[in-house]
Amino acid sequence: QVQLQESGPGLVKPSETLSLTCNVSGYSISTDFYWGWIRQPPGKGLEWIASIYSSGSTNYNPSLRSRVTISIDTSKNQFSLKLTSVTAADTAMFYCARTRSSVGYFDLWGRGTLVTVSS
Amino acid sequence: EIVLTQSPATLSLSPGERATLSCRASQSVSSYLAWYQQKPGQAPRLLIYDGSNRATGIPARFSGSGSGTDFTLTISSLEPDDFAVYYCQQRSNSPGTFGQGTQLEIK
Repeated sequence: QVQLQESGPGLVKPSETLSLTCNVSGYSISTDFYWGWIRQPPGKGLEWIASIYSSGSTNYNPSLRSRVTISIDTSKNQFSLKLTSVTAADTAMFYCARTRSSVGYFDLWGRGTLVTVSS
Repeated sequence: EIVLTQSPATLSLSPGERATLSCRASQSVSSYLAWYQQKPGQAPRLLIYDGSNRATGIPARFSGSGSGTDFTLTISSLEPDDFAVYYCQQRSNSPGTFGQGTQLEIK
């Protein structure tokens, strides 16, 4: 059974960098699929952030591109997200998920991790 | 980017009734549209992809239709477990975008 699990600090200070990791179990991420990050501010809708393939090929949402880096570590079977210069507007539930293409639907999701930006 | 507009924002129905949710795209997305269900405190769940294909394990009471700019998610006979927020998402153009959601609530 394939599972995704997000991890990272739940509280980040304004202007600092948000760093999250998604650990994948039950499947080798080097085999296939793209892997992505989606966020959801409290009480609001979903926003795709970025996706990455095992080869390192990436796709970013232009609205966040200047602040986001997605990376993958196939040896650890995990992928990561960094979001720089955060503000309160970046407070959200962050989900990692699996998709079949760089612009795709997400058929398997982690439970999500809430990140609050506050001093 | 492609904007998806969902309607209505809130839909109040009773169990056993038929639910019809709409998603309209700002430009054609062909059939590259999906529907998700999200319950409180949970991640979204993929229901329908490519306009009308049910994802693995999704009951037959959920169906999707449409192409181009207008899409519909139909739940033929609502069960108590179906009351949730529903989102559409397009993958025709990057960035993939989501609609703002329709809250399906118990009347």
